[in-house]
Amino acid sequence: AQSVAQPEDQVNVAEGNPLTVKCTYSVSGNPYLFWYVQYPNRGLQFLLKYITGDNLVKGSYGFEAEFNKSQTSFHLKKPSALVSDSALYFCAVKAEAGGFKTIFGAGTRLFVKA
Amino acid sequence: EPEVTQTPSHQVTQMGQEVILRCVPISNHLYFYWYRQILGQKVEFLVSFYNNEISEKSEIFDDQFSVERPDGSNFTLKIRSTKLEDSAMYFCASSEMSGGPTYEQYFGPGTRLTVT
Repeated sequence: AQSVAQPEDQVNVAEGNPLTVKCTYSVSGNPYLFWYVQYPNRGLQFLLKYITGDNLVKGSYGFEAEFNKSQTSFHLKKPSALVSDSALYFCAVKAEAGGFKTIFGAGTRLFVKA
Repeated sequence: EPEVTQTPSHQVTQMGQEVILRCVPISNHLYFYWYRQILGQKVEFLVSFYNNEISEKSEIFDDQFSVERPDGSNFTLKIRSTKLEDSAMYFCASSEMSGGPTYEQYFGPGTRLTVT
């Protein structure tokens, strides 16, 4: 069965500092991995994805994530956080082979302090 | 840039009433999905739809729920007899394919359903 774990309910970081939001996954076969961001009372905005290719993927708003197959992780990173990055971040996984559903993690609330 | 749209943005209904949530997926997409997010909780898969039939559904998607593509553009989620616990944000999504290197789901802005 597919599953996603985001071990931190909240991450606090000072503006200008690097940030990491953690994600680990479990899926049969190769994973499709995604990060989404949700601002208050808004929908899900796509940030980036890993399907195949380079393990380091770059996405919107300066975010990047590294796929680590041995650790089954897909941590979201940004070199320098902005106050405007404060939001709820969801990691999600879909199995490459078969199946149609995307499974989301519980979400991590990022709080960037000025 | 094409986008998924959903109407209404907010629906308030009384317990036991039927509601229909509407979505217009991106025009060349073939796969359609509904997810829900109970306030403050994770986003949960409900159902996927392809070629005019359900391709996969979760245990949440019981007999109270149904989906339909009544015409060439709309994709609807119907809840026959709403319960208080159906109160949630419902997201529609669509994708061009079900997999492959360019696979991506595009999400709509959501419909907030409040059951009183």
